[in-house]
Amino acid sequence: GAGVSQSPSNKVTEKGKDVELRCDPISGHTALYWYRQSLGQGLEFLIYFQGNSAPDKSGLPSDRFSAERTGGSVSTLTIQRTQQEDSAVYLCASSYDGYEQYFGPGTRLTVT
Amino acid sequence: AQSVTQLDSQVPVFEEAPVELRCNYSSSVSVYLFWYVQYPNQGLQLLLKYLSGSTLVKGINGFEAEFNKSQTSFHLRKPSVHISDTAEYFCAVSDPGYSTLTFGKGTMLLVSP
Repeated sequence: GAGVSQSPSNKVTEKGKDVELRCDPISGHTALYWYRQSLGQGLEFLIYFQGNSAPDKSGLPSDRFSAERTGGSVSTLTIQRTQQEDSAVYLCASSYDGYEQYFGPGTRLTVT
Repeated sequence: AQSVTQLDSQVPVFEEAPVELRCNYSSSVSVYLFWYVQYPNQGLQLLLKYLSGSTLVKGINGFEAEFNKSQTSFHLRKPSVHISDTAEYFCAVSDPGYSTLTFGKGTMLLVSP
């Protein structure tokens, strides 16, 4: 079946612009996660959605970052007023049981 | 908070040799443990996981890992590696009942002929 998909695969943006990154989880998976992978920080948890519960936003690095999940499926991660330190690969994962996470290919964000 | 230590940032090995990638975690309470592999320009793929039960866990592609609670370790092993195993390997931990993952910094496995 179809895996987790993310779009765009690459995004280059100018410092100060807003960007939106999209994640389509595997159908039927109730849990959705966003992680960030950067050279300096490795893989970091950003935000976690579980069903209709309020999301766990404890990993978001600043209030410029936000995410939503519409209809319990597609999720959008928004970064406002991008900074160069936001350059990273943003990975989305979904899970049906909360233990085994299936990752998408990621969106590589470059802020110039 | 959980932490994961992968002591080796790179492990060079010749094809058909055995390999061990080391992983230690911080918590002394119950944890779930995972190994993921990332091939160039791809997302992460689950190799194996330990939730409970047997401490020796077998995964895909001939990999296995052993959970050692007393040493808080979860080392990954393969008896004979292939060129195609060249990739970055990440160890991760989560708390039972709370599924977000804490990752180690990763170990780059470099297999040469």
